[in-house]
Amino acid sequence: GDSVTQMEGPVTLSEEAFLTINCTYTATGYPSLFWYVQYPGEGLQLLLKATKADDKGSNKGFEATYRKETTSFHLEKGSVQVSDSAVYFCALNYQAGTALIFGKGTTLSVSS
Amino acid sequence: DTAVSQTPKYLVTQMGNDKSIKCEQNLGHDTMYWYKQDSKKFLKIMFSYNNKELIINETVPNRFSPKSPDKAHLNLHINSLELGDSAVYFCASSQDQDQPQHFGDGTRLSIL
Repeated sequence: GDSVTQMEGPVTLSEEAFLTINCTYTATGYPSLFWYVQYPGEGLQLLLKATKADDKGSNKGFEATYRKETTSFHLEKGSVQVSDSAVYFCALNYQAGTALIFGKGTTLSVSS
Repeated sequence: DTAVSQTPKYLVTQMGNDKSIKCEQNLGHDTMYWYKQDSKKFLKIMFSYNNKELIINETVPNRFSPKSPDKAHLNLHINSLELGDSAVYFCASSQDQDQPQHFGDGTRLSIL
């Protein structure tokens, strides 16, 4: 079945370091791809999305490109801040009203 | 003002009890969901309703029963609570595939 695989965490970085969180997916069709972020004690917030191949989603300095040839949607940020410390989830879905399939989440910890 | 609101935020109860979690969205979305997040942060769909009709019912014990009185509400009732039901339960809503799902802040259920 369809699935999402994320790199294992935790990822520990110093402030202003470059961030990459890898995400690959297995899908029978052409899903939409998402990155959600969960700050401590809070719900999930959409960080960015891409709905078709070669689309780039971006928000708050984060970027991810929908790569159909490598079935990947890696999350990157050029310079992380302490406030970026959170759990990041890669996810996909297909049709209107279908559930999101999540990766297992990657915990990011940024120190000053 | 809150888009997706869940109550209660915390729920501590004894094994064997029956409890309900309520969810309301004011976004006018047609589809609502319940997700379960386990202690390792893994998120998995439980149920999905579209316009008050059940469209996704994953392998969930029948002690869990969703109820949707109207398309803005999706409540989750749990009978005979067990230790393994301890988790964070998230409600979400969406309009279609290309639009992101909006999540509530979660209900942390602890079974003693």
